[in-house]
Amino acid sequence: AQKITQTQPGMFVQEKEAVTLDCTYDTSDPSYGLFWYKQPSSGEMIFLIYQGSYDQQNATEGRYSLNFQKARKSANLVISASQLGDSAMYFCAMRGNAGKSTFGDGTTLTVKP
Amino acid sequence: GAGVSQSPRYKVAKRGQDVALRCDPISGHVSLFWYQQALGQGPEFLTYFQNEAQLDKSGLPSDRFFAERPEGSVSTLKIQRTQQEDSAVYLCASSLRWQGASSGANVLTFGAGSRLTVL
Repeated sequence: AQKITQTQPGMFVQEKEAVTLDCTYDTSDPSYGLFWYKQPSSGEMIFLIYQGSYDQQNATEGRYSLNFQKARKSANLVISASQLGDSAMYFCAMRGNAGKSTFGDGTTLTVKP
Repeated sequence: GAGVSQSPRYKVAKRGQDVALRCDPISGHVSLFWYQQALGQGPEFLTYFQNEAQLDKSGLPSDRFFAERPEGSVSTLKIQRTQQEDSAVYLCASSLRWQGASSGANVLTFGAGSRLTVL
């Protein structure tokens, strides 16, 4: 079974500062992928970044990076230089060999001006 | 199509009515997922198709929920005898088949969702 845990229901960050959103996961699959999605108040799910379980380097996409620590089963999202438009709900998810994808409960990020 | 299309965007049903929610995935996407998202919560897995085969329906809350994808493209989620607790946003997502861990092609693309309100 797959499980995603996001322990921060809400986070605040000052504009232009960096913020880390936590995610831990549990799976028995040897091969899996980890994702982060952003969901603004408008409701659409926007893909941010992907990390494969065999990838040696942490994934980066613009201001987003994924701090992947396989032994700890963690996949934290780091957002650098926060912007007001980053205020949204953020979901960590995983997809395993069977193809099924599981999501966490999310973290609401608020960027303060 | 260019994206995942869901219809209707909004549906209001009286308790006891049957509803059908449609998902048109990205052309060529083999995998299709249905999720239920309550307000302020994460998407909860309902069911998963690969082509027309329903590989996992473990998340369907009751036998009132039924999903199909008869030709391996468009999918319909049907809810019979709706109850108030069925009120939620129903999200559909599609992707290529699982490509192995290192492939970014495993990403799910979501539709805008269908918001169901049961009165």
